[in-house]
Amino acid sequence: GAVVSQHPSRVICKSGTSVKIECRSLDFQATTMFWYRQFPKQSLMLMATSNEGSKATYEQGVEKDKFLINHASLTLSTLTVTSAHPEDSSFYICSARDPGDMGGYTFGSGTRLTVV
Amino acid sequence: EDQVTQSPEALRLQEGESSSLNCSYTVSGLRGLFWYRQDPGKGPEFLFTLYSAGEEKEKERLKATLTKKESFLHITAPKPEDSATYLCAARLPIQGAQKLVFGQGTRLTINP
Repeated sequence: GAVVSQHPSRVICKSGTSVKIECRSLDFQATTMFWYRQFPKQSLMLMATSNEGSKATYEQGVEKDKFLINHASLTLSTLTVTSAHPEDSSFYICSARDPGDMGGYTFGSGTRLTVV
Repeated sequence: EDQVTQSPEALRLQEGESSSLNCSYTVSGLRGLFWYRQDPGKGPEFLFTLYSAGEEKEKERLKATLTKKESFLHITAPKPEDSATYLCAARLPIQGAQKLVFGQGTRLTINP
């Protein structure tokens, strides 16, 4: 089945620094990828939709200047958390839809970001 | 407003004790109802997609069903390894794109 690889799985950074998270579709091309955020014991909240070759679409309330998304190829999307603060600490997950996978969305393994 | 609600929030069962998880939705233009399993610290793992009322799908001890207002995830004779959070999500056409709206999940614990 479709595989989405997400790195790093865990990252700790200092307040004010930037962190980049990568999301790769390993065996299929993904023109669209999705970035979610999940707080402890809560569900997934869509942050933005990443479109290959064009600007990302952000959900209401998500700061596009803080969460930079780049979808430079059909297999790679990156999320950069700029000038991170402790309140940005969360679990970030990416996903992509594999056209051949019965319409299912495949998720990455997630990135636990801790800002200290 | 489009909404997906799961119940119960948490459920503890004994091994072998069958039960059902509920996902109710009030959405317009549903383009599929998805069930996922999520283990702690991991991304969601795809289980099922249901598209129309009356549809059912099975995988091992799990069976998902769909009506016009809700979906059920039935778990038969569960084992401790079935312990996880189960998420349902509705795919909706929103602002020209198709997006997933998730419920808050049911944390399932199976005691040996």
